[in-house]
Amino acid sequence: AQSVAQPEDQVNVAEGNPLTVKCTYSVSGNPYLFWYVQYPNRGLQFLLKYITGDNLVKGSYGFEAEFNKSQTSFHLKKPSALVSDSALYFCAVSDTGNQFYFGTGTSLTVIP
Amino acid sequence: EAGVAQSPRYKIIEKRQSVAFWCNPISGHATLYWYQQILGQGPKLLIQFQNNGVVDDSQLPKDRFSAERLKGVDSTLKIQPAKLEDSAVYLCASSLAVSGGRFYNEQFFGPGTRLTVL
Repeated sequence: AQSVAQPEDQVNVAEGNPLTVKCTYSVSGNPYLFWYVQYPNRGLQFLLKYITGDNLVKGSYGFEAEFNKSQTSFHLKKPSALVSDSALYFCAVSDTGNQFYFGTGTSLTVIP
Repeated sequence: EAGVAQSPRYKIIEKRQSVAFWCNPISGHATLYWYQQILGQGPKLLIQFQNNGVVDDSQLPKDRFSAERLKGVDSTLKIQPAKLEDSAVYLCASSLAVSGGRFYNEQFFGPGTRLTVL
């Protein structure tokens, strides 16, 4: 069965510091991996995805994520956090592209 | 480019009543998804359409939930009758379809409908 885990409900980071939001997955085949961000009272917005190819994926707003097959991880990173990055972040996985499974979300707070 | 539209934005009903949600996807997007997001949880896929056909509805509680996309564009999700545990945000998303049956394009989400069942 497919699943995705976001082990941290809450991540706090100081503005200007690097940030990491963790995601691990379990799929039976090759994974398709996604990160979405949700701002209050708004729908989810796509940040980046890994389908195949280079393990380091760059996305919107300066975010990037690294696919690590041996650790079954797809952690979201940003070199320098902004206060405006404060939001709810969701990792999602699929092994066929038909059925998507979302994690429970990680609330990121960037402290000025 | 217009985004995914959903209405209403908020709905309050009593248990055992019926409710319907509407979604208009981004023009040209063949794939449409309905998700249920309960407070504190990630979105859970209820049903996925490719044009007007159902690709996956394995997690749709079919005894009370139904959805249709008759002309392959707009979609309606209905709950009849509603239960207290149906209180959630219902999200609609759309994406471009990919040939060969692989749906790995990013999804574009609407603002959601917040349903409260009393």
